[in-house]
Amino acid sequence: EVQLVESGGGVVQPGGSLRLSCAASGFTFDDYAMHWVRQAPGKGLEWVSLISGDGGSTYYADSVKGRFTISRDNSKNSLYLQMNSLRTEDTALYYCAKDRGTGTTGYFDYWGQGTLVTVSS
Amino acid sequence: SSELTQDPAVSVALGQTVRITCQGDSLRNYYASWYQQKPGQAPVLVIYGKNNRPLGIPDRFSGSSSGNTASLTITGAQAEDEADYYCNSRDSSGNHVVFGGGTKLTVL
Repeated sequence: EVQLVESGGGVVQPGGSLRLSCAASGFTFDDYAMHWVRQAPGKGLEWVSLISGDGGSTYYADSVKGRFTISRDNSKNSLYLQMNSLRTEDTALYYCAKDRGTGTTGYFDYWGQGTLVTVSS
Repeated sequence: SSELTQDPAVSVALGQTVRITCQGDSLRNYYASWYQQKPGQAPVLVIYGKNNRPLGIPDRFSGSSSGNTASLTITGAQAEDEADYYCNSRDSSGNHVVFGGGTKLTVL
């Protein structure tokens, strides 16, 4: 059974940093690209970032480029999102999601339950 | 990047057929995928590619695409289908992903 479990969310002041983690199980982790997707309270889904299966390629939404860094440790079946220079508009539930391909297909077949990030003074 | 446009809300009578649409330039090059999200839950993939359903998704869900428009059709809508539905696709660069704004489906 595929499982994705996010952690690391919390309350942080504007300008602060957080590191999110996603522990994956039930599939061959390094065979698949992984994504972070966020959802602000009461709003829609917003794609944040993508990393290829081997970790060699990363991509970011314009809204987070230069502030967020996606990474993965295939030996630990784990995905990460380092978030720096956080803004109030980054407040959201952050999901990790598994892609159906090694590089992105854009088809997210499994999602975690999310971890909440609140940026507030 | 590109945008995907969805109607904010759609309603359907119980047992009837409803189509939810998604428009955007990227859909001329890439198939959409569709996600169902119920309150307090993570999204669930219901359709991907040309018209593929993951295991466990009822066959009343189907997808189609023409030009810059992708559609999700629910044939014989059930009460449990009431949810928010989101489309997404790769954007024109191929390396980013874009989501539509979501459609709230009400089953009457």
